[in-house]
Amino acid sequence: AQTVTQSQPEMSVQEAETVTLSCTYDTSENNYYLFWYKQPPSRQMILVIRQEAYKQQNATENRFSVNFQKAAKSFSLKISDSQLGDTAMYFCAFISRYSGGYQKVTFGTGTKLQVIP
Amino acid sequence: DTAVSQTPKYLVTQMGNDKSIKCEQNLGHDTMYWYKQDSKKFLKIMFSYNNKELIINETVPNRFSPKSPDKAHLNLHINSLELGDSAVYFCASSQKDRPMNTEAFFGQGTRLTVV
Repeated sequence: AQTVTQSQPEMSVQEAETVTLSCTYDTSENNYYLFWYKQPPSRQMILVIRQEAYKQQNATENRFSVNFQKAAKSFSLKISDSQLGDTAMYFCAFISRYSGGYQKVTFGTGTKLQVIP
Repeated sequence: DTAVSQTPKYLVTQMGNDKSIKCEQNLGHDTMYWYKQDSKKFLKIMFSYNNKELIINETVPNRFSPKSPDKAHLNLHINSLELGDSAVYFCASSQKDRPMNTEAFFGQGTRLTVV
């Protein structure tokens, strides 16, 4: 079984600054993906960025980037030029498969990010 | 054109009642899920259905019974509601055997409050 740990329950950042959210995971699997989901106050779960475990290159989506350290089983999210709309809960998620091809998602406990004007 | 829709968005009910939450997806996915998000925001999978067949049941009390009339719908029925059932329940869908980098799509959640 895999576990996903987010050690920062809450964080805050000044608008336009950069913030890094940490995530570590534990697994014995070799084939998996890692996602970051954002949950704003509207409760909608929104995919922010994804990383393939077999790729060494860190994923980037506009102001969002990850620092993926496979050996250390670490998957942190960096948000540059923070905006007020980035205020949300952020969940790290580990994606693998059950036998039979069904997607299995294990979520971390979440980090509540507050962007301060 | 909501991809995954849940009804109702909010549900307040008394202990002991029976209630249902409905979920529909229009993405053509063959796999649907129910997740529970507790007061500490922890998200945990409850059930997964593929083509109306139960795939995952994560030690959920048998007061919770998912019903899948077709692959586009997965409803959650809860009997004899308890205070501890208060949470936000999310429905999600995905497609079996798609590349793993295909994310699951979530509904907007149903906030259940048991009083």
